[in-house]
Amino acid sequence: DVKVTQSSRYLVKRTGEKVFLECVQDMDHENMFWYRQDPGLGLRLIYFSYDVKMKEKGDIPEGYSVSREKKERFSLILESASTNQTSMYLCASSKMQVNTEAFFGQGTRLTVV
Amino acid sequence: AQSVTQLDSQVPVFEEAPVELRCNYSSSVSVYLFWYVQYPNQGLQLLLKYLSGSTLVKGINGFEAEFNKSQTSFHLRKPSVHISDTAEYFCAVRRQAGTALIFGKGTTLSVSS
Repeated sequence: DVKVTQSSRYLVKRTGEKVFLECVQDMDHENMFWYRQDPGLGLRLIYFSYDVKMKEKGDIPEGYSVSREKKERFSLILESASTNQTSMYLCASSKMQVNTEAFFGQGTRLTVV
Repeated sequence: AQSVTQLDSQVPVFEEAPVELRCNYSSSVSVYLFWYVQYPNQGLQLLLKYLSGSTLVKGINGFEAEFNKSQTSFHLRKPSVHISDTAEYFCAVRRQAGTALIFGKGTTLSVSS
């Protein structure tokens, strides 16, 4: 079974802190993604990566950065957390081919106070 | 740009009733279509996918979906729902290799007895 593991289920951080969300997949997938999920807005793409050290901005990259130093690991970084970044963050991975689905982690619920 | 529209944000039904969750997509080129389910406090799980071939696709838990190219729709159906089907359902589209899935805003299915 494909497994996508996010390092934390719940996080509480203070405004202005630098926050790292970590994601690891164990199926040698080329693509990895970070989405943000908010009620009524669905899943919005923050960043994705199609190879090590490669990244592409999604629909809402402002206030976020990412790092992919190894194929299996994709990190989302909030440089200076703000209360409007309180949300559910979902990591996913997939093979490169277009006719493949994405596999999701359990999500990290981040609260910024 | 491609987009996905889920026409109903909430669908309440009684147990054992049939249900249809509607999804329309916009794209002038071939797309690959997916339905995901999210149970409370969990990540997303693939229900089914349309890649090519038969326009009627069967998935897990008794769900099926029909791809209609002329109407650019991919509606999800189940002939008889259970309480355990209560969840949020997301329609998604992918157009090119190496790109991310684009999601609709989700439909909350609430099944009551």
